[in-house]
Amino acid sequence: EVVLTQSPGTLSLSPGERATLSCRASRTVITDYLAWYQQKPGQAPRLLIYDASRRATGIPDRFSGSGSGADFTLTISRLEPEDFAVYYCQQYGSSPGTFGQGTKLEI
Amino acid sequence: EVQLLESGGGLVQPGGSLRLSCAASGFIFKNYAMNWVRQAPGKGLEWVSGLSHTGGSTYYADSVKGRFTISRDNSKNTLYLEMNSLRVEDTAVYYCAKDRRVYEPYYFDYWGQGALVTVSS
Repeated sequence: EVVLTQSPGTLSLSPGERATLSCRASRTVITDYLAWYQQKPGQAPRLLIYDASRRATGIPDRFSGSGSGADFTLTISRLEPEDFAVYYCQQYGSSPGTFGQGTKLEI
Repeated sequence: EVQLLESGGGLVQPGGSLRLSCAASGFIFKNYAMNWVRQAPGKGLEWVSGLSHTGGSTYYADSVKGRFTISRDNSKNTLYLEMNSLRVEDTAVYYCAKDRRVYEPYYFDYWGQGALVTVSS
């Protein structure tokens, strides 16, 4: 199975700053089938990005995804207080689909 | 508005069984694959099982294959997960997740709030 490694494990930033989260795959993600999810404490995950760079419905444009092959990035251009959460990447190009271990974005 | 409501979680002894249900509304249930994803306490997300739109094709993680059975009733807009031979390591919040496609697991655009399953003696 494809192993996804997210870095850093924890990212400490302030509101208004730019956040860059990384997701690296153990081998090429087929067709760049990679998604990003946000999860806040006690809540279900929420889809942010799919197909590496397409924003899901209702997601603010400060969230953007980029990358291809085995290296992907989620960027939050200007952090809002509600953006502090855990972020997971998921590949769905190979079966079984797999998740990264998560990056915690903290104030 | 898409809603997914899980039920059936609880405390069960190792070796026991439990059935989770997920009642769906706000979309045409029979047109989409569905999945179960779990999260152990303080841990990350793990895809558990998926099911095509008709229920004709099923998919399982190696960790649950042979012990869990996924199914659906499109007349009731409900997804199920039958869990047998439960182990302590199956303890987790189990999320029902709507797939974006029809057949094999893809990405998940809507999630339920989760059902807690605790396996302990």
